[in-house]
Amino acid sequence: KAGVTQTPRYLIKTRGQQVTLSCSPISGHRSVSWYQQTPGQGLQFLFEYFSETQRNKGNFPGRFSGRQFSNSRSEMNVSTLELGDSALYLCASSRVGGWLETQYFGPGTRLLVL
Amino acid sequence: AQTVTQSQPEMSVQEAETVTLSCTYDTSESDYYLFWYKQPPSRQMILVIRQEAYKQQNATENRFSVNFQKAAKSFSLKISDSQLGDAAMYFCAYRTTGNQFYFGTGTSLTVIP
Repeated sequence: KAGVTQTPRYLIKTRGQQVTLSCSPISGHRSVSWYQQTPGQGLQFLFEYFSETQRNKGNFPGRFSGRQFSNSRSEMNVSTLELGDSALYLCASSRVGGWLETQYFGPGTRLLVL
Repeated sequence: AQTVTQSQPEMSVQEAETVTLSCTYDTSESDYYLFWYKQPPSRQMILVIRQEAYKQQNATENRFSVNFQKAAKSFSLKISDSQLGDAAMYFCAYRTTGNQFYFGTGTSLTVIP
């Protein structure tokens, strides 16, 4: 079974631009969560999508948004990029997102904002 | 609010020796799930071991085991017979019944040949 895939793997943007990241979950998985990883803050939960609906949300500004498609693929969008948005963005999938389930992480998209 | 603390930013261990990574967490919930994830350099995060809070027995996965002390809110990871491939960043994580994950800031483990 193929793992979680994320595209692109690397991205360079400038302040004020917007960016869209993509995540394809493991086949059969309907829950997708997004995380931001930075050296100073570690991993922080952004949001979770299940059946095309945002089910949980972390403590991030409205510039961070996402969506999920009927095939469970998910996209994350960051508008008006700031230097502090430079990070590794990870997505993780699980079958239904139950709290007892294991999440499987993708390789991440490394975003650099200049 | 839930927080996860990993007080050891860096650790090192001799190959074949045993090392323990510490993790404490703060919560008012009684049911939750705890995890240790491993993130090798430039590679994706993988699950090492998990523990249900309602289980008193400590989880074990081959050379990896945990010491779960619920009252103390402590969840340490023991790696026995350390191998070069164990070198990675290790993250302790807490998952709520409301399905939110909280991660520690990680411990970078170096394995010395």
